[in-house]
Amino acid sequence: GDSVTQMEGPVTLSEEAFLTINCTYTATGYPSLFWYVQYPGEGLQLLLKATKADDKGSNKGFEATYRKETTSFHLEKGSVQVSDSAVYFCALMKTSYDKVIFGPGTSLSVIP
Amino acid sequence: DTGVSQDPRHKITKRGQNVTFRCDPISEHNRLYWYRQTLGQGPEFLTYFQNEAQLEKSRLLSDRFSAERPKGSFSTLEIQRTEQGDSAMYLCASSLTSGDRQYFGPGTRLTVT
Repeated sequence: GDSVTQMEGPVTLSEEAFLTINCTYTATGYPSLFWYVQYPGEGLQLLLKATKADDKGSNKGFEATYRKETTSFHLEKGSVQVSDSAVYFCALMKTSYDKVIFGPGTSLSVIP
Repeated sequence: DTGVSQDPRHKITKRGQNVTFRCDPISEHNRLYWYRQTLGQGPEFLTYFQNEAQLEKSRLLSDRFSAERPKGSFSTLEIQRTEQGDSAMYLCASSLTSGDRQYFGPGTRLTVT
């Protein structure tokens, strides 16, 4: 079945460091891809999305590019801040079943 | 747009008791979804509604679980005869229509002792 795999955490970075969180997916057809973020004590928020191959989603300095040839959607940020500390979930959705399939999440801690 | 709300935010119950959670979606959102998230894992789909019709149920949803959306607005998720394995965060989400972005509520954290 369709699934999402992402790098294991926790990830600890110093402020202003470069961030990459790897995500790969397995799915037939052409899913939409998402990154969600869950800040401590808060609900899931959509961070960015891409709906077709080679699309780049971006928001709040985060970027991810839909790579169909490698079935990947890696999350990157050039300079992380302490406020970026959260759990990040890679996810996919297909209109054929209209539910979101999430990866296991990657916890990020940014230290001053 | 007041967002998706869920009530209660936390529930502690003893094994064997019944619990009911409520979700209020964003108004005019036709689709409503329930997910379950256990510690250290991503959310897993449970079920969803198009207006008042329940269109799909995951095999995770045992016969002790029942969900309703009687008037196509708010939804309830009931768990009968709770077990310790039911301890999790129960998330509700809504979307305007099929394929649209899903907006998530803050979740109800259930602890079964």
